[in-house]
Amino acid sequence: GDSVTQTEGPVTLSEGTSLTVNCSYETKQYPTLFWYVQYPGEGPQLLFKVPKANEKGSNRGFEATYNKEATSFHLQKASVQESDSAVYYCALGPPSSGGNYKPTFGKGTSLVVHP
Amino acid sequence: DMKVTQMPRYLIKRMGENVLLECGQDMSHETMYWYRQDPGLGLQLIYISYDVDSNSEGDIPKGYRVSRKKREHFSLILDSAKTNQTSVYFCASSRDREGQLYFGEGSKLTVL
Repeated sequence: GDSVTQTEGPVTLSEGTSLTVNCSYETKQYPTLFWYVQYPGEGPQLLFKVPKANEKGSNRGFEATYNKEATSFHLQKASVQESDSAVYYCALGPPSSGGNYKPTFGKGTSLVVHP
Repeated sequence: DMKVTQMPRYLIKRMGENVLLECGQDMSHETMYWYRQDPGLGLQLIYISYDVDSNSEGDIPKGYRVSRKKREHFSLILDSAKTNQTSVYFCASSRDREGQLYFGEGSKLTVL
């Protein structure tokens, strides 16, 4: 079945430093890829999604490129802020072939940013 | 307004009691989900509903059942709750084929 493996947290950084959260996936399909963010006390919410291979998604200074050859979708940000402290989830969306599917999430990466 | 609403937000029950967690969405989404979230385990899918009365087991369905009689409403039921079902439960919905999940704010269940 499908699977997602991402950087094990917690990741602890100082404000202004760069962030990379690795995400690797296994699937026989060609799904849309997602990054979700979950702030304390809230449910996860979409950070951004990328439906096609070799395309880049971005939002709030975060970005990731859909690398089909490497089956990776690493999340990056050049300069983190304390307000970026949250849990980040990489996820596989529905395959382009259609049909019912079950979303596949990574286990989440907790990011703690110190001032 | 695009919203998933969960009730109750906090619940304390004794072992063996029945639990009902309710979820509503105002987006007419076909698909709805129940997840539980535990430290270090991320989001675990309990049940998925593709539409009214079209429910499918997720990865950890044991000890849970669901009901969906209206498209906008999806319930999670624990018959005779156990202490290991203490967790935060999230409901989510998605438009068919779109893939983006919209999550509620969670229901924190404590079983004593």
